[in-house]
Amino acid sequence: EMVMTQSPATLSVSPGERATLSCRASQSISSNLAWYQQKPGQAPRLLIYGASTRATGIPARFSGSGSGTEFTLTISSLQSEDFAIYYCQQYNNWPGTFGQGTKLEIK
Amino acid sequence: QVQLVQSGAEVKKPGSSVKVSCKASGGTFNSYGINWVRQAPGQGLECMGGIIPIFGTTNYAQKFQGRVSITADKSTSTAYMELSSLRSEDTAVYYCARVGTTGTTVYYMDVWGKGTTVTVSS
Repeated sequence: EMVMTQSPATLSVSPGERATLSCRASQSISSNLAWYQQKPGQAPRLLIYGASTRATGIPARFSGSGSGTEFTLTISSLQSEDFAIYYCQQYNNWPGTFGQGTKLEIK
Repeated sequence: QVQLVQSGAEVKKPGSSVKVSCKASGGTFNSYGINWVRQAPGQGLECMGGIIPIFGTTNYAQKFQGRVSITADKSTSTAYMELSSLRSEDTAVYYCARVGTTGTTVYYMDVWGKGTTVTVSS
């Protein structure tokens, strides 16, 4: 079974700074990776698909990279609304698998 | 823009079943599929399975095989997720989400329902 591992579990960053979140797949998933943002009490929101393509309406400060087994989500200059939990998800094998999430908190 | 409208909260007894619905409002299933994802209190997201209504194909995560059934009514653009033999650990928010598909490949989840809270308690 495909396992997705995210690191770190919690990331403390100051507003205006850069945040880098990592996601590793237990086997190659090509570029079949998505990133989602979830805020308390809300459904997840798609940020990135195809490892690096921003979804509609997602600000340019969000960028994704990687392929195969190693992936990164970068938020270039954190805004107050960016503090949330971020999940990666592989969709190389349906129905997909999520990482355990990275909580991005204000430093 | 299509929205996914889910049914209301449920409280169930251990050992019973629950059936949650997800209706595509403002659109149809067309060439899309529906995945079901759950989130236990304070926990992460967990894929349960999905369906591609126009092909009638389903796929379930191994953890839920034999206990979950996902169906769809194309005439009403509504998908259903039924989970049986409920236990307290099934207490969670259950989300449906739209996925793009070519029929052989299923993609990311771009539209999500607001979630349905299912509480399992004696």
